[in-house]
Amino acid sequence: QQQVKQSPQSLIVQKGGISIINCAYENTAFDYFPWYQQFPGKGPALLIAIRPDVSEKKEGRFTISFNKSAKQFSLHIMDSQPGDSATYFCAASFLGSARQLTFGSGTQLTVLP
Amino acid sequence: NAGVTQTPKFRVLKTGQSMTLLCAQDMNHEYMYWYRQDPGMGLRLIHYSVGEGTTAKGEVPDGYNVSRSTTEDFPLRLLSAAPSQTSVYFCASSRPSGGYTFGSGTRLTVV
Repeated sequence: QQQVKQSPQSLIVQKGGISIINCAYENTAFDYFPWYQQFPGKGPALLIAIRPDVSEKKEGRFTISFNKSAKQFSLHIMDSQPGDSATYFCAASFLGSARQLTFGSGTQLTVLP
Repeated sequence: NAGVTQTPKFRVLKTGQSMTLLCAQDMNHEYMYWYRQDPGMGLRLIHYSVGEGTTAKGEVPDGYNVSRSTTEDFPLRLLSAAPSQTSVYFCASSRPSGGYTFGSGTRLTVV
């Protein structure tokens, strides 16, 4: 019930294209859904996050779409750039679990120049 | 700069040795966590703390010990290192409202 499933495992996109990464969760107690970006040799960095009372959140080229009934959320990267090449992790948590993050398995994004 | 500081960045241990991974945060965050990251498995929670004097087990706690004697510090101890503990270890902190700040990681190899 704690699992967060992420797909695809890897993604290759041309510069200027749209990158889409999907996640699904099971635990309906989750109330916080962040996305993390990780570059090689670095720690994950918070990219964008959403709470289930909204269906979409946009920050610059990054958008989270959230479907509460389907228990799914996705990250869209518009106008993808080579500098976006990194590993992306979705995650979920709820306050009652001391905000433990349950992570997806990660997506390796490569944006070709 | 405010954030989470982890030391050391790299370490090679022999099987059976013990060591302590240090983690310190200066954001006055109540919650602190230790995760390990292995290829294809995302990040898995080892131990966490919701405040000074409290600790709890995560998903993969065996072979690790933690303590939280101050709000700032949350060291992770490997009691008797095993090759299965070869991994990258990340410390993180957060407020109850969410939003982790991660350290830069410790890459540990056990031979």
